[in-house]
Amino acid sequence: DAGVIQSPRHEVTEMGQEVTLRCKPISGHNSLFWYRQTMMRGLELLIYFNNNVPIDDSGMPEDRFSAKMPNASFSTLKIQPSEPRDSAVYFCASRTLSTDTQYFGPGTRLTVL
Amino acid sequence: KQEVTQIPAALSVPEGENLVLNCSFTDSAIYNLQWFRQDPGKGLTSLLLIQSSQREQTSGRLNASLDKSSGRSTLYIAASQPGDSATYLCAVMDSSYKLIFGSGTRLLVRP
Repeated sequence: DAGVIQSPRHEVTEMGQEVTLRCKPISGHNSLFWYRQTMMRGLELLIYFNNNVPIDDSGMPEDRFSAKMPNASFSTLKIQPSEPRDSAVYFCASRTLSTDTQYFGPGTRLTVL
Repeated sequence: KQEVTQIPAALSVPEGENLVLNCSFTDSAIYNLQWFRQDPGKGLTSLLLIQSSQREQTSGRLNASLDKSSGRSTLYIAASQPGDSATYLCAVMDSSYKLIFGSGTRLLVRP
C-alpha cells in the first residue's frame, strides 16, 4: 500500500488567501485524523472522522478552519482566510476502527506570509 | 486536562550506548500509550503501543514500559545506532479516544 497520501507537500501563500490541504487515507481504513504541528504547541489533533462522519472537531482553532470527508478515500482541510499564525505542518493520519495504531502521512508544510 | 511531558528534550549519545527516554502524563485514565518516531521532514511512525492493562511491550531493540498508576512510561533503546537518530514522541489515548502528544525527545546517536 502507498500509505497515507497528502498534497501538496509544501504550500506558501499570502495572508487572506484560501488554502486547501488534501488527504487520501490508506485503503480500507475508516478513521481519519487531521493534526497540526508547531514548535510552540507541538502536535495537536484538529478533527477526526469515523466512517466519513466528523466525530470530534473541538481542536479546530477557529471558524476559519473547516474539514470535509466526502467519501472514504478523500478528505480536505480548508483555511479561509489564512493568517500567518496558521503556518505549521499539517498531518493526516488514518486507521481501522479495530486497531488503535494510526498511520501518518508525510505532512503538508504551510507557510502564510 | 491531560498533559504529557517528555524528558529530556534532547539527548546526544555515542553509538552503542543503551538509553532511556521518559514520558509522564497527568491523568491515569488512559486507554493506551504509544511511542512514535519522527524523522526530519517526515510523518510519524508508530513504534510501540501499550494497552492500559499491559506493563510493557518489546520490538527488537526497543522496550517500552507503562506504570499507569504513577503516570509514567519509559522507552528503552538497546545498543543505539546512528540510524536511531530522530525525534521520539510519546502519546496517550484519553477517554475520548484522542491521542495527546508530548513535545518529544530529539535523539542524536554519534558514530
